[in-house]
Amino acid sequence: QSALTQPPSASGSPGQSVTISCTGTSSDIGAYNFVSWYQQHPGKVPKLLIYEVTKRPSGVPDRFSASKSGNTASLTVSGLQADDEADYYCSSYVGGMTSIVFGTGTKVTVL
Amino acid sequence: EVQLVESGGAFVQAGGSLKLSCAASGFTLSRFYMDWVRQAPGKGLEWVALFRNIEDGSTTEHAASVKGRFFISKDDSKNSVYLQMNSLKTEDTAVYYCVREYWGGFDYWGQGSLVTVSS
Repeated sequence: QSALTQPPSASGSPGQSVTISCTGTSSDIGAYNFVSWYQQHPGKVPKLLIYEVTKRPSGVPDRFSASKSGNTASLTVSGLQADDEADYYCSSYVGGMTSIVFGTGTKVTVL
Repeated sequence: EVQLVESGGAFVQAGGSLKLSCAASGFTLSRFYMDWVRQAPGKGLEWVALFRNIEDGSTTEHAASVKGRFFISKDDSKNSVYLQMNSLKTEDTAVYYCVREYWGGFDYWGQGSLVTVSS
């Protein structure tokens, strides 16, 4: 099972929005509504931002939103803040013997 | 409060073995899927292994990259999850995270345990 494909980098100015794509296949993103997104600051533990494609855990600001179309999922960060500068990873349930596959990761820079 | 605390990370020679432990608290371990996820230095996240909850048969799955060498186990009476790692390779060098799975996402993460495999 190959990793999901994300752009290596994305950027935006404070207050702007940035959207990160996550491309998979009909066997992962396209097959299940179990796409998640994580934020990881340097040297820190990843934090769950989104699960089940669009749901936010308690405490995650609504500036973080997500969607899915076909084999591609997307995360949008609105109203960019300095603290949003981090690595972002998507993941999808795959099923069978390979349970979860992660994306390649995207480094978001706040200009 | 949900907490996951890993231990057991170490420096080990290639071909050696190591067992990671994860002490869980603040929730009923048997009700949740528990996984191990790893991150090699400067690299992305990689799913390693899964232990399903009691409702789904307490079965396990392992990533192809570790299958036959790594084994996940769980002891609900000790509120602990384990990862037995055998025949370690240099490419297994990573921070290993114990994580709780929630509807396909990992909602709680341990602080991570560093495993370094030297040739």
